[in-house]
Amino acid sequence: EAQVTQNPRYLITVTGKKLTVTCSQNMNHEYMSWYRQDPGLGLRQIYYSMNVEVTDKGDVPEGYKVSRKEKRNFPLILESPSPNQTSLYFCASSLGRGGQEQFFGPGTRLTVL
Amino acid sequence: AQSVTQLDSQVPVFEEAPVELRCNYSSSVSVYLFWYVQYPNQGLQLLLKYLSGSTLVKGINGFEAEFNKSQTSFHLRKPSVHISDTAEYFCGTSYDKVIFGPGTSLSVIP
Repeated sequence: EAQVTQNPRYLITVTGKKLTVTCSQNMNHEYMSWYRQDPGLGLRQIYYSMNVEVTDKGDVPEGYKVSRKEKRNFPLILESPSPNQTSLYFCASSLGRGGQEQFFGPGTRLTVL
Repeated sequence: AQSVTQLDSQVPVFEEAPVELRCNYSSSVSVYLFWYVQYPNQGLQLLLKYLSGSTLVKGINGFEAEFNKSQTSFHLRKPSVHISDTAEYFCGTSYDKVIFGPGTSLSVIP
């Protein structure tokens, strides 16, 4: 089944404790992206990647890191999480940039205390 | 810079009535436009997208949208809504970056 998977689905952590949210897709997509969703703000793009070893900042990259060492994986790293990073996070992938349909993962709900 | 505005944060509508969800965008370059739907506690699903050509775009579940370049709008319409259309709807633009609007919560009243 074609899908985007994220782990964990739920995470509660404390300020400053490094964490990684994994994202994997099995559709051989080139474009992958991370978003955060907050009430009243919609989804905001954190980082995107147009191919292996090619990543770029979205609208809200501060406090986040990403890497794209393999085509299928695009982990999101929070080196020192803070309470303002409490949010619902979505990973997505598509064949390419621009008008291609994005396929979204199920989401990761992160709470930083 | 790109931006997307969805003026209506909440839209209540009675079942079988028509609905229009408004979306306006601004961009200094040509972009692609889209609408996604998010059902409660789920991820996002593409409703429709505009790349070029005909300005009237038909999507899934009976939705359609019209691209209006002069008004920089891409409003979403459905002639008769069902209870199952209750969801959050997001308009957006994409090129390299993807920009979503803040969303419109559609509530269909029985």
